[in-house]
Amino acid sequence: DTGVSQNPRHKITKRGQNVTFRCDPISEHNRLYWYRQTLGQGPEFLTYFQNEAQLEKSRLLSDRFSAERPKGSFSTLEIQRTEQGDSAMYLCASSFWIPNEQFFGPGTRLTVL
Amino acid sequence: DQQVKQNSPSLSVQEGRISILNCDYTNSMFDYFLWYKKYPAEGPTFLISISSIKDKNEDGRFTVFLNKSAKHLSLHIVPSQPGDSAVYFCAASPAGGGADGLTFGKGTHLIIQP
Repeated sequence: DTGVSQNPRHKITKRGQNVTFRCDPISEHNRLYWYRQTLGQGPEFLTYFQNEAQLEKSRLLSDRFSAERPKGSFSTLEIQRTEQGDSAMYLCASSFWIPNEQFFGPGTRLTVL
Repeated sequence: DQQVKQNSPSLSVQEGRISILNCDYTNSMFDYFLWYKKYPAEGPTFLISISSIKDKNEDGRFTVFLNKSAKHLSLHIVPSQPGDSAVYFCAASPAGGGADGLTFGKGTHLIIQP
């Protein structure tokens, strides 16, 4: 499978716990994006990496959120001290020479109890 | 403040007929527009895109039309098939793309009736 993969697919956690998600982009793609999608809404941009450099962060990305892409390949998104409002689908996307055409993974659904 | 608006939350179309999904945008900096299709429990799948230098782009059964002066685009699906039943998202990005990510509408749930 050469598509974008995300793990885990589902995560249930208690409020206050830390969670980490992983995204493996399409192998030749140098650009990686994280989005969040809540019920009834479209995906909302969180952050963007070009290779290993994090070049853009949305105001939605509070200081409890941190993302890394250490070697320019896979990326992780960590949420510290989760809150119930963090419950959402977290989507990862990657792209190459045409940055606008992004290919999405299946997402990680987070439920914070 | 929604910069990309899909005003129809749902649309029901008979199999074989044309489906027309609409999208409006407010940001004049948007230069590239995309349509994504999403099934439940899956990520969005890229369908078709259009640059602001064009007013039409076709790919098989899918055609996207762009009216820059009206800040309006539409996706036509002809003929509609049962497998087209999904949520369709309109998305936009400024010239150069990349850093800003895509701005999505809320989606339109297309239901194809047999």
